[in-house]
Amino acid sequence: DAGITQSPRHKVTETGTPVTLRCHQTENHRYMYWYRQDPGHGLRLIHYSYGVKDTDKGEVSDGYSVSRSKTEDFLLTLESATSSQTSVYFCAISDPGSRNTEAFFGQGTRLTVV
Amino acid sequence: AQTVTQSQPEMSVQEAETVTLSCTYDTSESDYYLFWYKQPPSRQMILVIRQEAYKQQNATENRFSVNFQKAAKSFSLKISDSQLGDAAMYFCAYRSLEYGNKLVFGAGTILRVKS
Repeated sequence: DAGITQSPRHKVTETGTPVTLRCHQTENHRYMYWYRQDPGHGLRLIHYSYGVKDTDKGEVSDGYSVSRSKTEDFLLTLESATSSQTSVYFCAISDPGSRNTEAFFGQGTRLTVV
Repeated sequence: AQTVTQSQPEMSVQEAETVTLSCTYDTSESDYYLFWYKQPPSRQMILVIRQEAYKQQNATENRFSVNFQKAAKSFSLKISDSQLGDAAMYFCAYRSLEYGNKLVFGAGTILRVKS
């Protein structure tokens, strides 16, 4: 299995509070992604990173920010959590230098905003 | 922007039978990758099969095969000799080689296997 770890695995938080999810990889892959999974929508890209301090928005980036200060860590922050951000969040990594490499996924974080 | 459509929210198949899951996509790129991922109740995302767009030959992995129609932008997954362990959510995904190597997913198809 690819070395990718998400923390925490589960979190319940109150509306309006800040939340940070962490993705840690040991594969030295250049690209890292944050997705959210909701019923009927599949996985939707929130933000991605193509290198240290290089990030870009995905299709559902409103209300989220990211940071990548080291190759191995990619943080997703909800500045002020809302109930619509209740979801399962997945981190993924990939290495575009290898054309045959798919994305590897973490185990997911279930976030509940009450 | 690339989009992926899975038109079957749910499918059922009898054990040992064959089932085909549909996927279409929209893109203006000529080179890209396509994937099928399986997600069992454990939430783990498992790669089932991949297809390189520049290869005309359909990919095959044991009981899993694809029907890749590049002109029609269609990428269906066939599961032969279905097993109870195949029951899961299946996602079709498109990987751009231009725009940040992003993976774009379809909404998923729940596959139920009847014994």
